[in-house]
Amino acid sequence: SQQGEEDPQALSIQEGENATMNCSYKTSINNLQWYRQNSGRGLVHLILIRSNEREKHSGRLRVTLDTSKKSSSLLITASRAADTASYFCATDASSSNTGKLIFGQGTTLQVKP
Amino acid sequence: DAGITQSPRYKITETGRQVTLMCHQTWSHSYMFWYRQDLGHGLRLIYYSAAADITDKGEVPDGYVVSRSKTENFPLTLESATRSQTSVYFCASRPEYPTQYFGPGTRLTVL
Repeated sequence: SQQGEEDPQALSIQEGENATMNCSYKTSINNLQWYRQNSGRGLVHLILIRSNEREKHSGRLRVTLDTSKKSSSLLITASRAADTASYFCATDASSSNTGKLIFGQGTTLQVKP
Repeated sequence: DAGITQSPRYKITETGRQVTLMCHQTWSHSYMFWYRQDLGHGLRLIYYSAAADITDKGEVPDGYVVSRSKTENFPLTLESATRSQTSVYFCASRPEYPTQYFGPGTRLTVL
């Protein structure tokens, strides 16, 4: 079963614009992460937000978490062509902190030069 | 170089054959994971391991077997491959809870 549902499935923007993608999940979580996957590559960790946090920043990335709505958003500011990739949210809802992640289906971002 | 590697990167096999996908990490991370990635499903956890000789099932374990005799290796075996196991397989290790480092993936085609 999918814990995370991402929206939109695909997003196309111009270089310099901001990109926002959203993730919704079903059960209470310990934390939520965002990963990036370039075409044909493995996933790369971007940012982690814990359940008691509401917002985090890392460079051009801003993540918010609303546990009451069971949703998170990832904002990439001043996008670049190199940001073209698929972005996945991953939630950890394990009771034993095993770190078993459940991934959303991802948002495919295309940044046009 | 330090990192996580997977082999082979590409594999074509036939239905009914046994296939083993290899995963090796150089960091000595305790936790390792196997996922499959399919269109429309994202990544789904197959098996994970908390340490050498400790493994457990994930969301989609049927048809797969894992072992972990050494901390750095976590092979995944398809005992009798089926077409539905055509997928891209990713291995990951965990440097610290809950972040995971992913390998480059193995693209498996079962004919």
